[in-house]
Amino acid sequence: DADVTQTPRNRITKTGKRIMLECSQTKGHDRMYWYRQDPGLGLRLIYYSFDVKDINKGEISDGYSVSRQAQAKFSLSLESAIPNQTALYFCATSDLAGEGRWTQYFGPGTRLLVL
Amino acid sequence: SQQGEEDPQALSIQEGENATMNCSYKTSINNLQWYRQNSGRGLVHLILIRSNEREKHSGRLRVTLDTSKKSSSLLITASRAADTASYFCATDNSSNTGKLIFGQGTTLQVKP
Repeated sequence: DADVTQTPRNRITKTGKRIMLECSQTKGHDRMYWYRQDPGLGLRLIYYSFDVKDINKGEISDGYSVSRQAQAKFSLSLESAIPNQTALYFCATSDLAGEGRWTQYFGPGTRLLVL
Repeated sequence: SQQGEEDPQALSIQEGENATMNCSYKTSINNLQWYRQNSGRGLVHLILIRSNEREKHSGRLRVTLDTSKKSSSLLITASRAADTASYFCATDNSSNTGKLIFGQGTTLQVKP
């Protein structure tokens, strides 16, 4: 969905480095999510945010932190990258209320390789 | 822990044939959704079925839900090569958080 953008699209980093993945959306949605995808494991939720002041841990938050700088921006940081954080990372958004609140809209993903 | 388990993990069919994918889940749900992912791309929402619905259609897609068996199926009729993708079920089992739990996906290959 072009309304949800992620930068960078690809990143190679070394063990121990701190990196940030960024997500921006123009859909006007309040809810934003970060997932990681590993082969054969589907998507797992890292963090989610319902508004700028509301941030929650997901299923696998250890080793990650997030920042919701504005309604439209949600960043994911790896404090000290390790090789098993090599994965495809997705940002997603959803509406806060109404019928649309059940549907998530995904960005194109960031492919991260930690050496 | 994954809520949904999908079957089969991989499916290969000829263009024009129907494709059926199944999803099982563990806890009660508010709704179940199906998403599609083209290789290396973001997921795209296909269809949502509520817990009080049993069947839903959208174009060539047909979704069924059996809450007594905690299972759902996605049928794609008259498949096309462009349907080649991975398909994921996702369940919403919380009251109003919007959190989804995804299955591991079914990879569908449609041969021209």
